[in-house]
Amino acid sequence: KAGVTQTPRYLIKTRGQQVTLSCSPISGHRSVSWYQQTPGQGLQFLFEYFSETQRNKGNFPGRFSGRQFSNSRSEMNVSTLELGDSALYLCASSPGTGPTGELFFGEGSRLTVL
Amino acid sequence: AQSVTQLDSQVPVFEEAPVELRCNYSSSVSVYLFWYVQYPNQGLQLLLKYLSGSTLVKGINGFEAEFNKSQTSFHLRKPSVHISDTAEYFCAVRFLAGNTPLVFGKGTRLSVIA
Repeated sequence: KAGVTQTPRYLIKTRGQQVTLSCSPISGHRSVSWYQQTPGQGLQFLFEYFSETQRNKGNFPGRFSGRQFSNSRSEMNVSTLELGDSALYLCASSPGTGPTGELFFGEGSRLTVL
Repeated sequence: AQSVTQLDSQVPVFEEAPVELRCNYSSSVSVYLFWYVQYPNQGLQLLLKYLSGSTLVKGINGFEAEFNKSQTSFHLRKPSVHISDTAEYFCAVRFLAGNTPLVFGKGTRLSVIA
């Protein structure tokens, strides 16, 4: 069974640009969560989607948005990039039902904002 | 307030020595508990989890953790570490109230010294 796939793995942008990151979950998983990882803050929750609906949202500005498609693939978008948006963005999937809470992570997309 | 605290940001230890990585949480509701490991330039991999039952949980790579409800702790242990255990370790908590996301501690960097 293929794991969670994130693209691109690395990207460099300049301030003011926007970026779109993609995540393909494990087959059969209907929930996708996104986290931002930085050295100072650790892993911070961005949002979770389940069956194309945003089920939960973290404390990030409106520049951060996401969506999920009918095949459970998800994208997140960051507009008007700031230097502080440089981070590893991790996507994780789960079956989405049942209370176990275990997440399966991709390898992440490393964004550098210059 | 619900929170997760990893008391040590860095833990150096000699090869073949035992190690304990500490994790405490604050919660007024029941919890599920997890430890994840992150190797350089990779995503997070589940080491072990506690959902219910025996408070001593065994995971992969020889790691184990013990859930202590009275002390609200879930410390990770390994009796003898290897160089290959060098990585960052994250404690995570699912608070069982509503549909809350998985909350992570800030991580502990384990460095195994030859």
